[in-house]
Amino acid sequence: GAVVSQHPSRVICKSGTSVKIECRSLDFQATTMFWYRQFPKKSLMLMATSNEGSKATYEQGVEKDKFLINHASLTLSTLTVTSAHPEDSSFYICSARERTVLAKNIQYFGAGTRLSVL
Amino acid sequence: QQPVQSPQAVILREGEDAVINCSSSKALYSVHWYRQKHGEAPVFLMILLKGGEQKGHDKISASFNEKKQQSSLYLTASQLSYSGTYFCGTGGDSGGGADGLTFGKGTHLIIQP
Repeated sequence: GAVVSQHPSRVICKSGTSVKIECRSLDFQATTMFWYRQFPKKSLMLMATSNEGSKATYEQGVEKDKFLINHASLTLSTLTVTSAHPEDSSFYICSARERTVLAKNIQYFGAGTRLSVL
Repeated sequence: QQPVQSPQAVILREGEDAVINCSSSKALYSVHWYRQKHGEAPVFLMILLKGGEQKGHDKISASFNEKKQQSSLYLTASQLSYSGTYFCGTGGDSGGGADGLTFGKGTHLIIQP
């Protein structure tokens, strides 16, 4: 099956610093990747859609200057949490949609990154 | 809009069956089912497309009723490994299929020996 790698799996940082999270599709090309956020015992909330070669599309209420997304290639998207604060602590998960039509819009998820801001 | 899942939680004994429902107030074109274990990422189970359904696993199947804007996930002869939180996700309907998913709040399934 399709594999999505997300790195790092866990990060602890001080308030005010920036954190970069990488999402890679290992064995397929992903024109589109998605970034979700999940609070404890809650559902996944879509933050933004990352499109290769173009600007990301952010969901309502998500600050684009706060959560910078770069989709540099068909296999890599990065999310940078800038000037992180304790309220940004959460579980961030990326997913990638396989490019081919046969993939039927199935999204494969990375293992997630648990961010703790002190 | 977030789809509504029911029930919120289910406790079963190994070998029993379960049904998880997902409904939406807007038209559905596809429904995605995922299972997530604590501290892990969601794992894809199956996708149901408008005009049909797709069975992803042997004892886990799903139905999709477009008119009622509902989908149900059926787990038969449950195994301990089925424990986790099940999410239905809707979306990907913009034609290009490039939409992110809107997930329900999840159904917690606990299988006891």
